[in-house]
Amino acid sequence: ETGVTQSPTHLIKTRGQQVTLRCSSQSGHNTVSWYQQALGQGPQFIFQYYREEENGRGNFPPRFSGLQFPNYSSELNVNALELDDSALYLCASSLEASYGYTFGSGTRLTVV
Amino acid sequence: GQNIDQPTEMTATEGAIVQINCTYQTSGFNGLFWYQQHAGEAPTFLSYNVLDGLEEKGRFSSFLSRSKGYSYLLLKELQMKDSASYLCAVILDNYGQNFVFGPGTRLSVLP
Repeated sequence: ETGVTQSPTHLIKTRGQQVTLRCSSQSGHNTVSWYQQALGQGPQFIFQYYREEENGRGNFPPRFSGLQFPNYSSELNVNALELDDSALYLCASSLEASYGYTFGSGTRLTVV
Repeated sequence: GQNIDQPTEMTATEGAIVQINCTYQTSGFNGLFWYQQHAGEAPTFLSYNVLDGLEEKGRFSSFLSRSKGYSYLLLKELQMKDSASYLCAVILDNYGQNFVFGPGTRLSVLP
């Protein structure tokens, strides 16, 4: 049984650019959530996808968007990057309404 | 808004017992989680409480009082590898979305 994998592990982008982060869910999991974790803080919920549909969103602007694919892998897209977007982005997957969330190791995004 | 509070930092000695507190004021409640996160790594699941009382799992125990909006994580027989951040998180609803995390408590275990 594989865990949750995220790519890339580290990324440096320039302000104003766009970025796509990827997440491969744990086998059998059809729900994926994305979180932003600033240094020294707890993760902040961005949104959740269930069977390819967004079914929950936190307090993030529309320039944060996502996709979930038929194989339940997922992408997080961020447009018009700002310096404050620098953070660790975590993906977590789970099965249906169970709460066995498994987190990936994250992508460290630095915006300069 | 949603508010979850934890101490920022704690220090304890190897072999000792430490209690990490978490208080919450949220618009909904469908369970409380504790996660452990080592620097640069993914959070890993420690415990889940949805009913009042104590859940014990080896060296780790978690307590919940819903009426007081309070939980604690108890770590016994501390080991150096327990040095990490401990995150308290509340699920607001029964759809598993809107998972609200506290700021985390950074625990340092000293020899």
